Amino acid sequence: GAGVSQTPSNKVTEKGKYVELRCDPISGHTALYWYRQSLGQGPEFLIYFQGTGAADDSGLPNDRFFAVRPEGSVSTLKIQRTERGDSAVYLCASSPDVGGRSYNEQFFGPGTRLTVL
Amino acid sequence: DAKTTQPNSMESNEEEPVHLPCNHSTISGTDYIHWYRQLPSQGPEYVIHGLTSNVNNRMASLAIAEDRKSSTLILHRATLRDATVYYCILRDSSYDYKLSFGAGTTVTVRA
Repeated sequence: GAGVSQTPSNKVTEKGKYVELRCDPISGHTALYWYRQSLGQGPEFLIYFQGTGAADDSGLPNDRFFAVRPEGSVSTLKIQRTERGDSAVYLCASSPDVGGRSYNEQFFGPGTRLTVL
Repeated sequence: DAKTTQPNSMESNEEEPVHLPCNHSTISGTDYIHWYRQLPSQGPEYVIHGLTSNVNNRMASLAIAEDRKSSTLILHRATLRDATVYYCILRDSSYDYKLSFGAGTTVTVRA
């Protein structure tokens, strides 16, 4: 079946611009996660959705970052006034909402590589 | 958050076993041990997880110490495709939905 998809695969933008990154989770998965991965480091948690609501956005670095999931499926990560330090790979993952979250494998997309010039 | 410690890198020969250690001395009774790996230009992928007993699946085996303060991921016959980064992660069964990745162990496989 189809896995998690992310678009675009690459995004180059200029400092100060606004960008949107899209995630299509696996069909039927109610949990969705965004992570950010800088070069040479492991992924870092940003935000977690259960259905349409953001259950935990504690990983968002500042108020320039915002994410939505209006219909409980596709999610968009939005970054305002981009800075060079925002350059990273942004990863999306989804998992089924079966009781006992720690059992649930997370399925990751290939990521969007964001470069801010 | 409970933390894990892994070696930065390990080397192996093709078709030989690889034993990847992970220390988690502050593990709590409700923490599950998860392993993910990340192939180049891809997102992480799940490998295996366990709580107390050793676990086997088609990808690997997980050996958990009796005191649970350490564990070992075992790749039985390394292939060139196994040469990548492996992450050992603790997740609390009661509330921990997110994955907290460290730097992981980079495995090199010699042909």
